[in-house]
Amino acid sequence: EPEVTQTPSHQVTQMGQEVILRCVPISNHLYFYWYRQILGQKVEFLVSFYNNEISEKSEIFDDQFSVERPDGSNFTLKIRSTKLEDSAMYFCASSVAGQNSPLHFGNGTRLTVT
Amino acid sequence: DQQVKQNSPSLSVQEGRISILNCDYTNSMFDYFLWYKKYPAEGPTFLISISSIKDKNEDGRFTVFLNKSAKHLSLHIVPSQPGDSAVYFCAAHSGTYKYIFGTGTRLKVLA
Repeated sequence: EPEVTQTPSHQVTQMGQEVILRCVPISNHLYFYWYRQILGQKVEFLVSFYNNEISEKSEIFDDQFSVERPDGSNFTLKIRSTKLEDSAMYFCASSVAGQNSPLHFGNGTRLTVT
Repeated sequence: DQQVKQNSPSLSVQEGRISILNCDYTNSMFDYFLWYKKYPAEGPTFLISISSIKDKNEDGRFTVFLNKSAKHLSLHIVPSQPGDSAVYFCAAHSGTYKYIFGTGTRLKVLA
């Protein structure tokens, strides 16, 4: 069964550094998402992406965050200057359609900012 | 602003019995609801969904019930198996691109 893959599984970085989290969505999916889960808390929406542009973003997704689909397969999340509070599990997801279609998640990247 | 709430952080059930996980929502514009299961160190796995035009959807051992007037949905797992032990999230969608998740319920199925 096709799956969403994320790399790396764990990223440790120092405060103020830039990080790029990578995702390969399911190949025939058209909608892409990033969510995050701070330890013990709920899964929070960050951003959705369709047709090479952001379709919706949350208040968490400020100017420090950006997304890109640099080629036909990868979908990346960049955090320009990491803060301690960015430490979380970051999940990439994709779906066939933008509505009434389940999201399929990767196994996440654990980001630790020290 | 908790639009999707799972008020029970944990639930323990004996193997073979029914597990009932509950979820409440506040936004009457939500029209599509989903349940996910999550194991440690893995991403959420889609289980079952329901559209707001239905009140029940069944897939094998999993059944989701939707009560729109009460803004409540539930997931029934019967019979429960030890492999069902995981954190279960409900999620809701309202026609935008955003899916909103609840805080999760940790289910433990006792052998």
